[in-house]
Amino acid sequence: NFMLTQPHSVSESPGKTVTISCTRNTGSIAGNYVQWYQQRPGSSPTTVIYEDNQRPSGVPDRFSGSIDSSSNSASLTISGLKTEDEADYHCQSYDSSNRWVFGGGTKLTVL
Amino acid sequence: QVQLVESGGGVVQPGRSLRLSCAASGFTFSNYGIHWVRQAPGKGLEWAAVISYDGSEKYYADSVKGRFTISRDNSKNTLYLQMNSLSAEDTALYYCAKGSRWRDIVATIDYWGQGTLVTVSS
Repeated sequence: NFMLTQPHSVSESPGKTVTISCTRNTGSIAGNYVQWYQQRPGSSPTTVIYEDNQRPSGVPDRFSGSIDSSSNSASLTISGLKTEDEADYHCQSYDSSNRWVFGGGTKLTVL
Repeated sequence: QVQLVESGGGVVQPGRSLRLSCAASGFTFSNYGIHWVRQAPGKGLEWAAVISYDGSEKYYADSVKGRFTISRDNSKNTLYLQMNSLSAEDTALYYCAKGSRWRDIVATIDYWGQGTLVTVSS
């Protein structure tokens, strides 16, 4: 099965922009949709991006997703950072056998 | 509103079994795929299994395949996870989570439960 690798942590100041990467080790990142989930401390995850770059209703347009086939990676970009964005972010995709894989998660600190 | 309420967690000895349940409400349960996703203390999310809307398709992570069985009772709006041969590595918060799209097993998750904690320890 494949793996998704994320940075362990990232930090940035309020109002700035941060990008979190998610690299797939085997198989094409573009071959299956990538989702991103936000998880605040002590809470269940919520979806912030689905199908590579789609935002669920209620998610601000400060959140965006993209795919880069050249690096075989997906990215979550959050602009205009707010302290409320501080959370763990998990990428997720699946394989041709409908088995899902999550990345290891990235802790975002807004300081 | 959509609700997913997990139950059945607890402390269990290594090698023993446990069955988790997830009671669903607020949507037509029989039309959606449902997942079990777990999270070990202080760790990331780990997908465990998914079942299709009608129970005809089931897929498992390699880490649980052969030991865990996912099932559902659409007449009771309930999802199950039978866990056998448990080990310390199975200690985690177990979430059930609903697929977002009608009868699509790979659709993204749109709702999560609050989780039930399983601790495997002697």
